[in-house]
Amino acid sequence: GAVVSQHPSRVICKSGTSVKIECRSLDFQATTMFWYRQFPKQSLMLMATSNEGSKATYEQGVEKDKFLINHASLTLSTLTVTSAHPEDSSFYICSAAEGGQYSNQPQHFGDGTRLSIL
Amino acid sequence: SQKIEQNSEALNIQEGKTATLTCNYTNYSPAYLQWYRQDPGRGPVFLLLIRENEKEKRKERLKVTFDTTLKQSLFHITASQPADSATYLCALSAGAGNMLTFGGGTRLMVKP
Repeated sequence: GAVVSQHPSRVICKSGTSVKIECRSLDFQATTMFWYRQFPKQSLMLMATSNEGSKATYEQGVEKDKFLINHASLTLSTLTVTSAHPEDSSFYICSAAEGGQYSNQPQHFGDGTRLSIL
Repeated sequence: SQKIEQNSEALNIQEGKTATLTCNYTNYSPAYLQWYRQDPGRGPVFLLLIRENEKEKRKERLKVTFDTTLKQSLFHITASQPADSATYLCALSAGAGNMLTFGGGTRLMVKP
């Protein structure tokens, strides 16, 4: 089945550090990937839709200069949390669907990145 | 406003019984609805997808119903096992293509 790999699984760093999270589709091409954020005991909140070769589409209230998304290839999207602060501490999860953005296929999720900013 | 509601309280059932989880939504007209399983510290895993023109979908011990009049989906696990213990999320298609909006999830605990 379709596999999405996310790295790193956990990051602990000091306030002011920028952190890059990678999301790879291992056995399929993903023209679109999604980035979510999840707080403890809460649901997944969509942050942005990442499109290969073009700019990401951010959800309302998500700062695009704070959360930089790059989708340079059909198998890799990256999320960079710039100048991270304690309030950015959260669980970040990426996903991708086979067949592209309009395929109406299930999403396959990475295992998430636990980000802790001290 | 748009809402997707799942019972936030944990559902505790005995092994072997059928677990039924509910997903209600308002102010949506989803083309399809999906159910996912999420274990602690892990990403969600896709279970079932049901389209607006389908009433019921089954996969092994899992069954999903979709009532667009009631704006409700029910998720059933028959002959439940302790290994079924997890948080179950419903998600609606929203906006273009594969964009999903998730409910808050219901935690299921199956006791031996």
